[in-house]
Amino acid sequence: KQEVTQIPAALSVPEGENLVLNCSFTDSAIYNLQWFRQDPGKGLTSLLLIQSSQREQTSGRLNASLDKSSGRSTLYIAASQPGDSATYLCAVTNAGNMLTFGGGTRLMVKP
Amino acid sequence: DARVTQTPRDKVTEMGQEVTMRCQPILGHNTVFWYRQTMMQGLELLAYFRNRAPLDDSGMPKDRFSAEMPDATLATLKIQPSEPRDSAVYFCASVGEGHTEAFFGQGTRLTVV
Repeated sequence: KQEVTQIPAALSVPEGENLVLNCSFTDSAIYNLQWFRQDPGKGLTSLLLIQSSQREQTSGRLNASLDKSSGRSTLYIAASQPGDSATYLCAVTNAGNMLTFGGGTRLMVKP
Repeated sequence: DARVTQTPRDKVTEMGQEVTMRCQPILGHNTVFWYRQTMMQGLELLAYFRNRAPLDDSGMPKDRFSAEMPDATLATLKIQPSEPRDSAVYFCASVGEGHTEAFFGQGTRLTVV
């Protein structure tokens, strides 16, 4: 059974810092990995999707990497802003299109 | 407008009542998920369908929960009878063919009193 872990569970940084969120998974037989953002009381918004054949994806100040063989992904946020404060979740897709989530990292960026 | 639509957005009901939540996946998406989110448990997978067929509902309490896809444009999650411990936000998500991006609805916030 796939298990997804995110470290740290919570992170507080001053505005302007670059930061890295971590995601690890136990079964490397994945089709893709997706990073989501969730604001309080809201749904999940997709940020980046990395297919299993890819190493990284970039969108603006966000860069996600994938090391499938070691079961790890990182989300790098450059020049963080208070508006980046949210919970970030990673999820992997396995056989049968099963989508398994990590517990999330709650990020606070202080002005 | 390609998005997943969930109704109702909020539902308050009394213990013992039946609750039905609805989800309209993105047109053309063939995989639909139901998740429950609480502060304590995070996101739990309840059930999911592919081409309207249930693939996995092992996360769902069978005695009171049921999930169906009457057609490709509608997925339903029903709780009967509801209990206070069912209070949570229920999310629906859909995915297209070929392991593409998953899109989530805004959720149904259920409160059982």
